[in-house]
Formats: sequence, C-alpha cells, structure tokens
Amino acid sequence: AQSVTQLGSHVSVSEGALVLLRCNYSSSVPPYLFWYVQYPNQGLQLLLKYTSAATLVKGINGFEAEFKKSETSFHLTKPSAHMSDAAEYFCAVSDQWSNDMRFGAGTRLTVKP
Amino acid sequence: DSGVTQTPKHLITATGQRVTLRCSPRSGDLSVYWYQQSLDQGLQFLIQYYNGEERAKGNILERFSAQQFPDLHSELNLSSLELGDSALYFCASSGRLAGAYNEQFFGPGTRLTVL
Repeated sequence: AQSVTQLGSHVSVSEGALVLLRCNYSSSVPPYLFWYVQYPNQGLQLLLKYTSAATLVKGINGFEAEFKKSETSFHLTKPSAHMSDAAEYFCAVSDQWSNDMRFGAGTRLTVKP
Repeated sequence: DSGVTQTPKHLITATGQRVTLRCSPRSGDLSVYWYQQSLDQGLQFLIQYYNGEERAKGNILERFSAQQFPDLHSELNLSSLELGDSALYFCASSGRLAGAYNEQFFGPGTRLTVL
C-alpha cells in the first residue's frame, strides 16, 4: 500500500526565509507525487505534481519539489517565504493504476513578519 | 475557483439524524471522490465514483453511502450520525479513471457539525 509521511506538523519561518516542507513516500510501484495547499476555509489546490518526467518539478507561487528515489523523498521548497504562503500543505501519492490518492497528515506553515 | 461545487456549505444537525451532501464535478470530469477531514484523523479518502459506478473505497463507514447520478453529480449520505462525524467533507473530481495525470480538483467543502 502506498503512503506518505510528512515530517513536522507545524513549520514556522520568517518572511523572506527559505521554506522547506518534508515528505517521504512509500510505494511498491513507481509513484506519482503531489503537493496541495489548503488556505483557511477553502478546499485543496494543487501546487505541483511529479509524474515520472523531470525530477525537479516547478509549481505555482514559486514552489518547487525534487523527487529523490534513493531517499524516497519529495520535499517542497520555496526560496523566500511570503506572508501569503501561510497555509496547510499536503503531500499525496498515487500511481498509474490507483483509483485513489493517499494524503499525508499535513504541515501547517506559519510565516512571521 | 476549481469548478467543483458543494452544497450546503454548513450543516448542523443532531446525533442519530441523516444528512445528504451534494457535489457537482467540474464540467467534463467523470470521477468524483469524497474525503473527510477532521482534526484527529486528517484527510481521509472515503469513496470514488467513475461515470456512475463505484471504483474505489477507502475508510468509509457502513453508515455512509454515496452515489453518482447520470448527470455526474454525486451525493454522500451520512446516517445515524454521531458526534465523531463532525468534520469537513470534501468532494473532488478528475477527468480520468486513473493514471499519471490523476490531478484532483477540490470543492470548497461542507462543514458538518453534529450536536
């Protein structure tokens, strides 16, 4: 069965600092990996996805993630945090044959002025 | 705006009652997914329908059921409600049955409060 683990339920950074949100996956088949963002009182919105093409994936709002098979990781980064990045971030895994997507527990990002 | 709509936005009811949550997928999407999000359980996949047929089941209780209609909208029925069923219920849709581009588009959710 596939699963993802997000390390750190809460991450706090200063405005302008690097954002690093960690995600490790477990999958017996080649995974497809996703990062979603959830702003308060809203649904989830796709940030970026890895579907076995380039290992470095660029998404919206300046975020990117790198697929590292050797480390079974798909960490999300952004060079410079903005106040508007404060939200909850979810890593998710699927694959070519799955009909469902498994989400991590989420990481709440706080950005301090 | 993802194009997925859910009604109602908020629902307050009592234990033992039954409620129905409604979801309209994005135009052209054939798959509908239901999720439950609560503080203690996180985001849990409940069930998926594709073009009217059930395709995958997750952690859905027997008291819960869903269906997808010919016009592709879906309903999630929750019965014999318990306090622990209080949560945000999300619907998502996608255009493919499965595969590499199985991006799901999420609706704004229905917040259910069971008193």
